[in-house]
Amino acid sequence: QKEVEQNSGPLSVPEGAIASLNCTYSDRGSQSFFWYRQYSGKSPELIMSIYSNGDKEDGRFTAQLNKASQYVSLLIRDSQPSDSATYLCAVNAGRRALTFGSGTRLQVQP
Amino acid sequence: EPEVTQTPSHQVTQMGQEVILRCVPISNHLYFYWYRQILGQKVEFLVSFYNNEISEKSEIFDDQFSVERPDGSNFTLKIRSTKLEDSAMYFCASSELAGRNEQFFGPGTRLTVL
Repeated sequence: QKEVEQNSGPLSVPEGAIASLNCTYSDRGSQSFFWYRQYSGKSPELIMSIYSNGDKEDGRFTAQLNKASQYVSLLIRDSQPSDSATYLCAVNAGRRALTFGSGTRLQVQP
Repeated sequence: EPEVTQTPSHQVTQMGQEVILRCVPISNHLYFYWYRQILGQKVEFLVSFYNNEISEKSEIFDDQFSVERPDGSNFTLKIRSTKLEDSAMYFCASSELAGRNEQFFGPGTRLTVL
């Protein structure tokens, strides 16, 4: 059974701070890793993808991947109240289906 | 910016009835997917579709479910005899053939089975 684990939160950070979101996965064959943002009642919105070990930066977002530790993280710099949402980690292990974690709810306090 | 669209946004049906959920994937994408999310739960994969056939399906996607690409733009999910537990948000997604499988989701259809 392929599992993707996330702390459900809520993770509460003040406006302007760095939010750090973490995800672990069980399938060592996993090849592609994604972070989606989901506002309440809305669909998942792709914000980052990462495929190799290390860091990948896109604006205020940085994804980090460590395949040896089976660990993916997302850093959000200069957090804004509009970043308040649930962040979903998704993993793809060679086939095209994505396995999602249950998500971490982020609250950015003004 | 191209996007996945879905209709209807909300569907209410009686248990045992058939429903068809519709999706228009992004035009140059060749892989299509259906996922569902029961309220308060994880997003779950149902099925992927490529070159007019199912390429992968989950245990959830049993004989009550079917998918079809009836024309060059639409992609549909049919549930033949709905059950109460089919109540969920159903998301369509699409991705390019090449590339790293970035999947873009539509806004979803909320299915309520009474």
